[in-house]
Amino acid sequence: QVQLVESGGGVVQPGRSLRLSCVGSGFTFGTYGMHWVRQAPGKGLEWVAALSFDGARDNFARSVKGRFTISRDKSKNTLYLQMNSLSVEDTAVYYCAKVLAGGYAFDVWGQGTTVTVSS
Amino acid sequence: QSALTQPRSVSGSPGQSVTISCTGTDSDVGSYNYVSWYQHHAGKAPNLLISDVTKRPSGVPNRFSGSKSGNTASLTISGLQAEDEADYYCSSYAGIYTWVFGGGTKLTVL
Repeated sequence: QVQLVESGGGVVQPGRSLRLSCVGSGFTFGTYGMHWVRQAPGKGLEWVAALSFDGARDNFARSVKGRFTISRDKSKNTLYLQMNSLSVEDTAVYYCAKVLAGGYAFDVWGQGTTVTVSS
Repeated sequence: QSALTQPRSVSGSPGQSVTISCTGTDSDVGSYNYVSWYQHHAGKAPNLLISDVTKRPSGVPNRFSGSKSGNTASLTISGLQAEDEADYYCSSYAGIYTWVFGGGTKLTVL
């Protein structure tokens, strides 16, 4: 079945870096836009980053712009989120999500990976 | 990129209907018919309920419906059931390849 599985979360000190991965299966990974969405403890969902199906277009939330990058490896059916200069405000569960065909909604989500930024 | 405005909580009894509003601006909800709604049970992955303001993916009960007027979108849940108790989020495309979510609404089934 269609599935997304995130990994790479953990505990990291402020100012350090971390790379998250999201492996897709059950669908043609290279034909869908992909996103990262996060949820800080006790807070709501926050859109973080988007990458087009072909990797040609991306954008980021203002809160992470200039610190995070998003990329994909079609050969590995994998989406990445490189997070640099992490701060405590980046502590959250990070979800990857697949875009609905031809649309702007997120129809498949992973279970999330937890990032904790703490000294 | 300000979050869309949702009520923090709503409640209803089994069998009743509830409506959750989602207010944005001319730059997001008001400009695009790309509002979506998600149900989120704690500890689980969010679940898409409505796309493109009114479209219901296969498998989503027709008790869930969406609408939009101006800068405000709405999700209506009719025939409330106990399992509908969850957090609900709206989201909108906001132009230049950016998206925005609402702050979330906690639905309590009394």
